[in-house]
Amino acid sequence: DADVTQTPRNRITKTGKRIMLECSQTKGHDRMYWYRQDPGLGLRLIYYSFDVKDINKGEISDGYSVSRQAQAKFSLSLESAIPNQTALYFCATSDPFGAEGEKLFFGSGTQLSVL
Amino acid sequence: AQTVTQSQPEMSVQEAETVTLSCTYDTSESDYYLFWYKQPPSRQMILVIRQEAYKQQNATENRFSVNFQKAAKSFSLKISDSQLGDAAMYFCAYRSMGGSEKLVFGKGTKLTVNP
Repeated sequence: DADVTQTPRNRITKTGKRIMLECSQTKGHDRMYWYRQDPGLGLRLIYYSFDVKDINKGEISDGYSVSRQAQAKFSLSLESAIPNQTALYFCATSDPFGAEGEKLFFGSGTQLSVL
Repeated sequence: AQTVTQSQPEMSVQEAETVTLSCTYDTSESDYYLFWYKQPPSRQMILVIRQEAYKQQNATENRFSVNFQKAAKSFSLKISDSQLGDAAMYFCAYRSMGGSEKLVFGKGTKLTVNP
């Protein structure tokens, strides 16, 4: 089983709909992240969380919200989806103080299409 | 703000040959991390290699090595004995050593390996 699991793998939705992308991890890491990947732009940070009570905005947080339901779960919501939120979304975890140091562990991504 | 530039949108290499992917970055910090991530068609993000800026020795992982030139702010990736499985998007990334959790990515280089 994957260490970082994202659901769904693919999603098509309509403009104005609320949608939630989910991420769970079995690595026991405190830090979790949501990134967005657009063709030709690389990955950009949406939100990150150091623990259940610590959530921070990244560089492109407008239009998104997150919830850290538990150490292992970090969900990303689009309250009212718009077409320019069509992208590949990645969840990631890290444990900077552990053996892997600064390495990010990524999920397999959720491809979201907003029509 | 830090920026990462990958000046080669696409590269190609013959199987068993060597290829070098370029990456430059801009920062005023003295301590930081640099990474190369690989994204095959499966879209999984895979860490290839990482370098701590305070280390003078270039990182090496099997057929992958880097040429880290701190003064020039250059961090190129060399792939030796290229294999068909090396075909992927490659992303260079920068992260501050303290404070910000933001991982800044370049826009990527698409590597094609020709048989």
